[in-house]
Amino acid sequence: KAGVTQTPRYLIKTRGQQVTLSCSPISGHRSVSWYQQTPGQGLQFLFEYFSETQRNKGNFPGRFSGRQFSNSRSEMNVSTLELGDSALYLCASSLVSVSANYGYTFGSGTRLTVV
Amino acid sequence: GQQVMQIPQYQHVQEGEDFTTYCNSSTTLSNIQWYKQRPGGHPVFLIQLVKSGEVKKQKRLTFQFGEAKKNSSLHITATQTTDVGTYFCAGPGGAQKLVFGQGTRLTINP
Repeated sequence: KAGVTQTPRYLIKTRGQQVTLSCSPISGHRSVSWYQQTPGQGLQFLFEYFSETQRNKGNFPGRFSGRQFSNSRSEMNVSTLELGDSALYLCASSLVSVSANYGYTFGSGTRLTVV
Repeated sequence: GQQVMQIPQYQHVQEGEDFTTYCNSSTTLSNIQWYKQRPGGHPVFLIQLVKSGEVKKQKRLTFQFGEAKKNSSLHITATQTTDVGTYFCAGPGGAQKLVFGQGTRLTINP
């Protein structure tokens, strides 16, 4: 079966711009989570969606937002980009919940570079 | 908030040597998961441990969950070049969220 698909794979943006990243989870998976990965901070939780509802949000500023559609596809948006937003953004899908004895299946990520 | 610490941060071994990474949580965990990320890749789920004192094996990989459910370890016997990557442990950090350790980066001299 198809894995988790993230688009685009690479993105270069200028400070102050905004960006939208997309994630299509594994078919049948209803939970989509987003993580930011940087060399200094590691993997940091952004938010999690299930059935179009955000169930949890990490400690990121309001410039980071997301949503989930009825087909479980998810998008995250970062507005007013800062240099520190340069990172690998990973989408992870799971059947129902990552804590219900299911691990994440991660996508290949979107590498965002802010210049 | 909850913290998950992993040591060592880096480990370089000769091919054929053993490797161990340790994970410690500031709180008791209901379960712990392990992931592997190859260079340039994304994390891949390896295993989940749930029971106190649990030991699970996957070929040359042995995973342990501590009796107090606050620590875990991953041991690789006789490393191979295919084992190169960063190994992460992760525990529940609240509803629908995992807290990841900083990872142990394993490099291998063939």
